[in-house]
Formats: sequence, C-alpha cells, structure tokens
Amino acid sequence: KNEVEQSPQNLTAQEGEFITINCSYSVGISALHWLQQHPGGGIVSLFMLSSGKKKHGRLIATINIQEKHSSLHITASHPRDSAVYICAVSVMNNRLAFGKGNQVVVIP
Amino acid sequence: KAGVTQTPRYLIKTRGQQVTLSCSPISGHRSVSWYQQTPGQGLQFLFEYFSETQRNKGNFPGRFSGRQFSNSRSEMNVSTLELGDSALYLCASSPGFGVGGSEKLFFGSGTQLSVL
Repeated sequence: KNEVEQSPQNLTAQEGEFITINCSYSVGISALHWLQQHPGGGIVSLFMLSSGKKKHGRLIATINIQEKHSSLHITASHPRDSAVYICAVSVMNNRLAFGKGNQVVVIP
Repeated sequence: KAGVTQTPRYLIKTRGQQVTLSCSPISGHRSVSWYQQTPGQGLQFLFEYFSETQRNKGNFPGRFSGRQFSNSRSEMNVSTLELGDSALYLCASSPGFGVGGSEKLFFGSGTQLSVL
C-alpha cells in the first residue's frame, strides 16, 4: 500500500465550480505539501501545512493530523487551474513521500 | 531573486554511459534535494544535501550519487545508465530544514533524460 493516497485520480469540472481533491497518508509526518504541475514539468509548491488551514487566493488547503488527511479546495475554478496536483509528505525519517497526483481539468 | 536553475534541460544518452546533472539553488538556500519522475512510478525522492553533506537518501541503487559544493550548488550523477533511468529529474531547494522539516520547497524546471 502506498504511503500517500490521493483521490480522485481524475477530475473534470466546469469553469466556476468548486473543486475538492483529497490526500490520505499512513506515516508520521512533520509537514504536508501540495504541489502543482502543469504540462511541461515545472512544479510549484502551493502550500506547506503542519496543522490547520491555509488560504491563498482561490485555493484553500486543510489538514487533519489525527485523521491523517488533507484536502485542497479550488473555489471558482478556472481553465488555468488545469494541472496535476501532487500531495507530498515530509516523513519523520527525513524523506519526502509522494502521492500519484490528481489530474484536474477545468472546461470553459 | 533568481529561482532554482537546472542544467541541461534535455539530455540524450545511451545505455552504459554516465551522466551528470546540475542544480543551482536559490541564493541563501542550503538544502538541495533531488527527485526522479516517471510516468509509471510518479515522483520519487533520491537524496538530499545540506552544507555539503548527504543528509538522507531514498531507495535507489548506488549508481545514483550526488554531491554539494560550498556554494550550495549540487550535482547528481548516474553511472552505467539503463533504459529505465529515462525520466524527468527535478531538484528543489529550501533554506535549511529541507525535506524533513516544515519548509516550503522551491523546484527547478527539471532535466529530461532519455536513455537509448
């Protein structure tokens, strides 16, 4: 079983819709990262969370340490939000473990 | 402030050769970590360097190695290349605590390696 599981694997939304993608992990962590990857490879770090909730523009990330679960919400989705969203956890023995990613497509 | 710079952007090698990839972190960042991304396995952690010392290592064979210089620039080397080493290799930098801590990571654009 993977240490980091993401769902749904693929998601298609209409422009303006509210999107939620999820990440569950099974190991002890010091932090959780949400990353965004557009076609062409470049990865941007959206959030780094160790507790609670963070907001940046239309993006909101939450983490529940007890339940070992995090969600990334996109409000008022836009075609430029189309990307792969990757959840990564900083594992206690000093390494990063990654989920397989959520492919999000926003249709105009 | 310049971002994380990786060179070269693309590389084509043949089986059995070796390759060296370079990563220049953001100025002032002391942690550099390396990752392999393939369509089948996704992103996998290779290793991390801090102050010229390897701080931790992922589950990769000894053919994969790296080093960090006093200016925090890092190189990774893959010897005796295999077809399965074809991948996007990414590096990331952070100020200090790196992958084991609570710091945001800043990624380079990656080096696309093709092994023929």
